[in-house]
Amino acid sequence: RKEVEQDPGPFNVPEGATVAFNCTYSNSASQSFFWYRQDCRKEPKLLMSVYSSGNEDGRFTAQLNRASQYISLLIRDSKLSDSATYLCVVSEYGNKLVFGAGTILRVKS
Amino acid sequence: EAGVAQSPRYKIIEKRQSVAFWCNPISGHATLYWYQQILGQGPKLLIQFQNNGVVDDSQLPKDRFSAERLKGVDSTLKIQPAKLEDSAVYLCASSSLVGSYNEQFFGPGTRLTVL
Repeated sequence: RKEVEQDPGPFNVPEGATVAFNCTYSNSASQSFFWYRQDCRKEPKLLMSVYSSGNEDGRFTAQLNRASQYISLLIRDSKLSDSATYLCVVSEYGNKLVFGAGTILRVKS
Repeated sequence: EAGVAQSPRYKIIEKRQSVAFWCNPISGHATLYWYQQILGQGPKLLIQFQNNGVVDDSQLPKDRFSAERLKGVDSTLKIQPAKLEDSAVYLCASSSLVGSYNEQFFGPGTRLTVL
């Protein structure tokens, strides 16, 4: 079983749509949780951290369910510029990051 | 502030050849990471340095991969000899601390093709 599992997609959505991504992780000792964004042929960049209380950054909302070992990302009012691969990431001891394989989002006009 | 620098950006070699990648982290970042990202997968940690010491190299294929960070600043990753399955993007990242979470900043990567 992979440590971090995501639906690879692609998710093809029209501009203005709301889209949700989910991921699950296997290590219950994981300490911190994140969503990274990776544009085609570019390096990953931190999109946002994820907390059990839920957190929002503009059009992006992330949620963590520790009991179910489940992380989600909701994007509202999708823009063309949101097209990218979204990587679910968990942090283990010593700042070690474990990445999922990513979910591809394509926003179309 | 300058980001993480990596070179070369692209490298094409034949199997069984050797190759080396270089990384210069963000100034002042004590922790440096090398990741391997195979097409269609997420980055996988190969090795983590704290200053010039190794913190985690559990996923480094030590029979062919080696890495060093002699002066606690820049780092090199070497593959010798390369195999076809080593074709990937090699990403270097740095962060300011280890022990508690600090954001990792990634360089642009070196895209390796092994023929």
